[in-house]
Amino acid sequence: DAGVIQSPRHEVTEMGQEVTLRCKLISGHNSLFWYRQTMMRGLELLIYFNNNVPIDDSGMPEDRFSAKMPNASFSTLKIQPSEPRDSAVYFCASSSGITLGYTFGSGTRLTVV
Amino acid sequence: GIQVEQSPPDLILQEGANSTLRCNFSDSVNNLQWFHQNPWGQLINLFYIPSGTKQNGRLSATTVATERYSLLYISSSQTTDSGVYFCAVGTSGTYKYIFGTGTRLKVLA
Repeated sequence: DAGVIQSPRHEVTEMGQEVTLRCKLISGHNSLFWYRQTMMRGLELLIYFNNNVPIDDSGMPEDRFSAKMPNASFSTLKIQPSEPRDSAVYFCASSSGITLGYTFGSGTRLTVV
Repeated sequence: GIQVEQSPPDLILQEGANSTLRCNFSDSVNNLQWFHQNPWGQLINLFYIPSGTKQNGRLSATTVATERYSLLYISSSQTTDSGVYFCAVGTSGTYKYIFGTGTRLKVLA
């Protein structure tokens, strides 16, 4: 089992550009979570999916952010247009059941200049 | 919403020492996890422990849900234990977890 796989590991982009972050779930997991970590705000839940359906997107900061889960094993988080305040580490995590907890990916460090 | 407070915020230990990290939460919860974020940023799930006690090697955790706190014990600490320890809590019927601000641990050789 390769764990939760995120790509890219690092992304540097210019303000105004579109950014797409990718996440591959662990096989058999049916819940997917996107988190953002910053020094100021800590770990914040952006959105979570259960069985490919978005359940709660109340943490998505604004309309510039969107997330999709086109199939049971893959998700994307898109920021368009990106802004310097979007700079953070973005994690995805998956779970196969609430009693088993989360498994996090290694994160994507996004820098918007 | 639920407030999650962790203490102490920072902790420095000599290798071999024991420590106790605390997580207090402001409302009833049905789910609780402890995570370790290592110096490279990787978040590792340590325990899923909504109640009771669990042990895994040198680590153990206890949650007293009725009193709204959880403790993480680290015995015979090693330099590889350094990093930030997070407590995350969630309520019934949801996978949504609220993370505490963490305890930053540094173990000196």
